[in-house]
Amino acid sequence: DTEVTQTPKHLVMGMTNKKSLKCEQHMGHRAMYWYKQKAKKPPELMFVYSYEKLSINESVPSRFSPECPNSSLLNLHLHALQPEDSALYLCASSQEFNPYNEQFFGPGTRLTVL
Amino acid sequence: AQSVTQLDSQVPVFEEAPVELRCNYSSSVSVYLFWYVQYPNQGLQLLLKYLSGSTLVKGINGFEAEFNKSQTSFHLRKPSVHISDTAEYFCAVREYNQGGKLIFGQGTELSVKP
Repeated sequence: DTEVTQTPKHLVMGMTNKKSLKCEQHMGHRAMYWYKQKAKKPPELMFVYSYEKLSINESVPSRFSPECPNSSLLNLHLHALQPEDSALYLCASSQEFNPYNEQFFGPGTRLTVL
Repeated sequence: AQSVTQLDSQVPVFEEAPVELRCNYSSSVSVYLFWYVQYPNQGLQLLLKYLSGSTLVKGINGFEAEFNKSQTSFHLRKPSVHISDTAEYFCAVREYNQGGKLIFGQGTELSVKP
């Protein structure tokens, strides 16, 4: 199983809503990532978890709150988002957080903030 | 600081023609190089990677790339493209001392026409 799954596929939320994005992998990977991708742009790294501990936070606003409840699961909690936060949110995982290991990407959650 | 430049934002090509997507990088340390493909409304898929060894790297779907250290380039090639190769292609770099952090180029949109 070399798949990273993400739910939901699409999400529409208002600026006062609270919602969560979910990412799951069963490859035994110990590094998991959240990326944000705007249309026609490359993915931008948001967070990295390594062995279930937050390793990197790329100065992401606090309205995005990541959580890694176990080694297979990664959540992104969303609260009080802005319309400019509308984007494709990609999750990825790799064996370890090192330069050699391939990152496997999920299909993404397309988020629209109204 | 490292950076990645993809010299062409769009490359239109006819089916069965050869194609080259160009990628240059800048870094003061050893790097590892990757090409990813993103089909519409999907996540990213690894095409190929250069970690060490032979500078000519073969990947999936008939693609190959050549690492040229003196020119700091990692151009992607395919001798004969198909309609199904229409997608966005991202070149990415990791520095050896930055863990699994990927730095992406801006992407090249390959459009294959019949």
